[in-house]
Amino acid sequence: DGGITQSPKYLFRKEGQNVTLSCEQNLNHDAMYWYRQDPGQGLRLIYYSQIVNDFQKGDIAEGYSVSREKKESFPLTVTSAQKNPTAFYLCASSMTQRTEAFFGQGTRLTVV
Amino acid sequence: GQQLNQSPQSMFIQEGEDVSMNCTSSSIFNTWLWYKQDPGEGPVLLIALYKAGELTSNGRLTAQFGITRKDSFLNISASIPSDVGIYFCAGLNAGGTSYGKLTFGQGTILTVHP
Repeated sequence: DGGITQSPKYLFRKEGQNVTLSCEQNLNHDAMYWYRQDPGQGLRLIYYSQIVNDFQKGDIAEGYSVSREKKESFPLTVTSAQKNPTAFYLCASSMTQRTEAFFGQGTRLTVV
Repeated sequence: GQQLNQSPQSMFIQEGEDVSMNCTSSSIFNTWLWYKQDPGEGPVLLIALYKAGELTSNGRLTAQFGITRKDSFLNISASIPSDVGIYFCAGLNAGGTSYGKLTFGQGTILTVHP
């Protein structure tokens, strides 16, 4: 089935450790996105990528890094520089940047 | 960044009632999208609107793209218990420095009492 797969669904890490969240899509979409969701807030854009080997910072990029080496993959690394990393992270993709985005199931990251 | 004002923040309704929610923005968008999110899951696209003035239906859902391109509303008719969830509006820019960025509203939490 075509779709967007995020893994793992739940992730626990110790404070000060970097952690990488996986996002894979088999929809042949050019654009991919990472959002962060906190309780009572909407989705905030962390990074987005229009095409392979290119990405731009979103509204809250500090403490995060991404790569886009393959069209189908857009991993997000939450670094130790992110002051409040516990959140629900959502990956999305769209055919182009002019079309609607479709979301994965999300990864809930808890830092202890 | 850009802001979308979505209202109401929450709604408590009886099964069978109609629901209306809306989003407004200080800037224009080329596309308006409406999503529904169940707890612990990713948002699911309900309706996409591409033209100012466009009115689109999807079953019991109806959404409109405002003429000014700065607002959109979503109506749900004859609500049922499975309509429970968080509804988000989102605006998509297709030009300028915000090209390709989806901006989300804060969400409307819908509770339906049987």
